[in-house]
Amino acid sequence: DQQVKQNSPSLSVQEGRISILNCDYTNSMFDYFLWYKKYPAEGPTFLISISSIKDKNEDGRFTVFLNKSAKHLSLHIVPSQPGDSAVYFCAARAGAGSYQLTFGKGTKLSVIP
Amino acid sequence: DVKVTQSSRYLVKRTGEKVFLECVQDMDHENMFWYRQDPGLGLRLIYFSYDVKMKEKGDIPEGYSVSREKKERFSLILESASTNQTSMYLCASSWGTGGYEQYFGPGTRLTVT
Repeated sequence: DQQVKQNSPSLSVQEGRISILNCDYTNSMFDYFLWYKKYPAEGPTFLISISSIKDKNEDGRFTVFLNKSAKHLSLHIVPSQPGDSAVYFCAARAGAGSYQLTFGKGTKLSVIP
Repeated sequence: DVKVTQSSRYLVKRTGEKVFLECVQDMDHENMFWYRQDPGLGLRLIYFSYDVKMKEKGDIPEGYSVSREKKERFSLILESASTNQTSMYLCASSWGTGGYEQYFGPGTRLTVT
């Protein structure tokens, strides 16, 4: 049972335009959400996070939106750059006492120059 | 900067061999994790440890064991490697019970022939 779903395996965007990566979840106990970025042959690196008590968090070109009622979050990258081409993973934590993160399967973003 | 290092970037082993993958972190993190990443399946948790000598099974522990004798070091052991264990193995660490950002190593690409 997949608790964190990234339904788009891939996404192509023109350089300079907005990239929107989506993530849906089913577990109401998730209280903290993270996005990771992964280049080939490297480990994932943390990008941005959001607590369930907020609906938006912004860091430079990256903004994460959380819609708790829809159990949906999205990552916006504006403007997109070729160096943003990578696999993006959505992850969620099930409560403050949890050690684990549950990851989605990832979305491969290609930014076309 | 948090640093998580893994003993090998690439490893080729034969079916039936015993395989050791080592991970070391330098930030005094309590928690350490082993994942495998396969195309279309995302990151799947094999085992994690929240303290020295403590271990917990993740989602796919079969065929694997772990060892944590020192806080900074977490080893993944394949007792008898099989071809279906060919994968990218990622180690991560985090601090406390918050389960916030996990910091990943560069990964080990293991091929079992």
